[in-house]
Amino acid sequence: AQKVTQAQTEISVVEKEDVTLDCVYETRDTTYYLFWYKQPPSGELVFLIRRNSFDEQNEISGRYSWNFQKSTSSFNFTITASQVVDSAVYFCALHPISGANNLFFGTGTRLTVIP
Amino acid sequence: DTGVSQDPRHKITKRGQNVTFRCDPISEHNRLYWYRQTLGQGPEFLTYFQNEAQLEKSRLLSDRFSAERPKGSFSTLEIQRTEQGDSAMYLCASSPLDSPSQNTEAFFGQGTRLTVV
Repeated sequence: AQKVTQAQTEISVVEKEDVTLDCVYETRDTTYYLFWYKQPPSGELVFLIRRNSFDEQNEISGRYSWNFQKSTSSFNFTITASQVVDSAVYFCALHPISGANNLFFGTGTRLTVIP
Repeated sequence: DTGVSQDPRHKITKRGQNVTFRCDPISEHNRLYWYRQTLGQGPEFLTYFQNEAQLEKSRLLSDRFSAERPKGSFSTLEIQRTEQGDSAMYLCASSPLDSPSQNTEAFFGQGTRLTVV
């Protein structure tokens, strides 16, 4: 079974604080991709990052960083020095190589950055 | 390239009516996906096209739902005899196909929000 769990339903932080969004996944596939998407109020899902299962190197892009730990099946997302524009719903998603050619999404974490 | 475009953005319909949504993917993207997103949930996969061929359908896609991509470009999603449970955001996404084994990120449209009253 393929499953993505985002245990944090809602998070509120004050501007300039750091925040980490958790993602835990389940899959029997040895080859898979993990994604993070941002969904602002406009509704469009904006791609943030893709990671394949063979690449556990952490990645940093500006204020964003991702920590992929295969041993704990986690792919956490950290925003440093949060800004009001970061307010959105963030989704973690899994794409296993086998089976259906689609993304399995978590239920999302709503992040509110308070000015 | 203006990204994935969906029309209409909002649709309110009476229960029992038929509705049709359109999706225009990014040009030259071979793959096209339909997802449904209900309030407070993540998107759920409905169906997938590679060019004009519908290759996969979720069990969520009941026989009241039909999707087409006749020329391998735009796609339509039709819901017949709508029910209140069909109220959701319907998202379309597309991605290029560089090689059979290569997966790239899907680019999503802004969705069509359907309300069945």
